[in-house]
Amino acid sequence: NAGVTQTPKFRVLKTGQSMTLLCAQDMNHEYMYWYRQDPGMGLRLIHYSVGEGTTAKGEVPDGYNVSRLKKQNFLLGLESAAPSQTSVYFCASSPWVEPSASSYNEQFFGPGTRLTVL
Amino acid sequence: DAKTTQPTSMDCAEGRAANLPCNHSTISGNEYVYWYRQIHSQGPQYIIHGLKNNETNEMASLIITEDRKSSTLILPHATLRDTAVYYCIVSLGDDKIIFGKGTRLHILP
Repeated sequence: NAGVTQTPKFRVLKTGQSMTLLCAQDMNHEYMYWYRQDPGMGLRLIHYSVGEGTTAKGEVPDGYNVSRLKKQNFLLGLESAAPSQTSVYFCASSPWVEPSASSYNEQFFGPGTRLTVL
Repeated sequence: DAKTTQPTSMDCAEGRAANLPCNHSTISGNEYVYWYRQIHSQGPQYIIHGLKNNETNEMASLIITEDRKSSTLILPHATLRDTAVYYCIVSLGDDKIIFGKGTRLHILP
């Protein structure tokens, strides 16, 4: 299993350009998440999905859109990139398990995408 | 989700036990305590979680106080590879979790 993969690994955009980050998981997980991490900061949740066809806002959703058309993929879109969106973006997934299970809401993370907006 | 308070950084000698504290005084009765760590530039890695009882796995032990207002993550024999940022998180566990800034743990040779 590849686990959680992210495409691309690096990207440089100009202000106003658009792009889509792709997250894919092959573990048949129900939940998927997008985070951003800025220097010296912890991860902040952008959007998440509790199943195919569903999305929800996290802590910092403004300026981003997401889609979960297939269970294994979670797309993060930037319609008009801004320098404030320069960050490292992490995707994660987790399975649905009973709350008593030892792996309850264990999230598996991808390697990250480093995005620079000039 | 309840907020947590962790020291910004800690040092620990290699081979010794690393004890990382976390305060979560506003935790509610059905919220879990999770610990993750992030080694430089990598995605975070799940370590352990618990509700009321102490927990142990192959990576670490989690000690939760009886009133559940604080917890301690214990790495029994720290190695240089344990140098990382450690995040203590409280969450209902049903969907999203919120990361704070964590504790930067330095393992000293």
